[in-house]
Amino acid sequence: DSGVTQTPKHLITATGQRVTLRCSPRSGDLSVYWYQQSLDQGLQFLIHYYNGEERAKGNILERFSAQQFPDLHSELNLSSLELGDSALYFCASSGGPINTEAFFGQGTRLTVV
Amino acid sequence: AQSVTQLDSQVPVFEEAPVELRCNYSSSVSVYLFWYVQYPNQGLQLLLKYLSGSTLVKGINGFEAEFNKSQTSFHLRKPSVHISDTAEYFCAVTWKTSYDKVIFGPGTSLSVIP
Repeated sequence: DSGVTQTPKHLITATGQRVTLRCSPRSGDLSVYWYQQSLDQGLQFLIHYYNGEERAKGNILERFSAQQFPDLHSELNLSSLELGDSALYFCASSGGPINTEAFFGQGTRLTVV
Repeated sequence: AQSVTQLDSQVPVFEEAPVELRCNYSSSVSVYLFWYVQYPNQGLQLLLKYLSGSTLVKGINGFEAEFNKSQTSFHLRKPSVHISDTAEYFCAVTWKTSYDKVIFGPGTSLSVIP
């Protein structure tokens, strides 16, 4: 158990819909990272938050957004969903602003039908 | 552009044989290097990391990796594999010019044959 909790584990939704994925980092960790894992794209970095502030953006679509709340949990919002958004979405956390050791959650498997 | 290459997408190996999984990255600028393992239907688990110091790094489950700056490589090795090592292995790199992003390689699927 990494200490990082992601909910829900599975999500099935229709095209055009909006979903929210939730991540609770390890106790004491201030950084949260979001990744998308798909068969054709591999593991893609989406976005990094540190102590409530956005630190870096990767290959995140404009339809996607994230935030980190004062209690340090984070949410990834995916809107206007397309079939190609079906993937595993991972959250990872680390203690400080620099990623020297990230702990991953079990992931949320999103299926868009 | 920064990139991480894992040339072998699949590596079959017999139980108790040695294995090497290869990882190369695109630039010799200072880096942090990582190997992660992903078992089926699970998240990624850190096997080992290189931040500085000795170029030979030992990790969990008997794995080790060697940082070679001139060849921009960070190959993962284990002298004797077990069935339980069957999993997907990912090499990841953080460039010190861009601390906030960890770039992952495409992964190598290790299959241990009894």
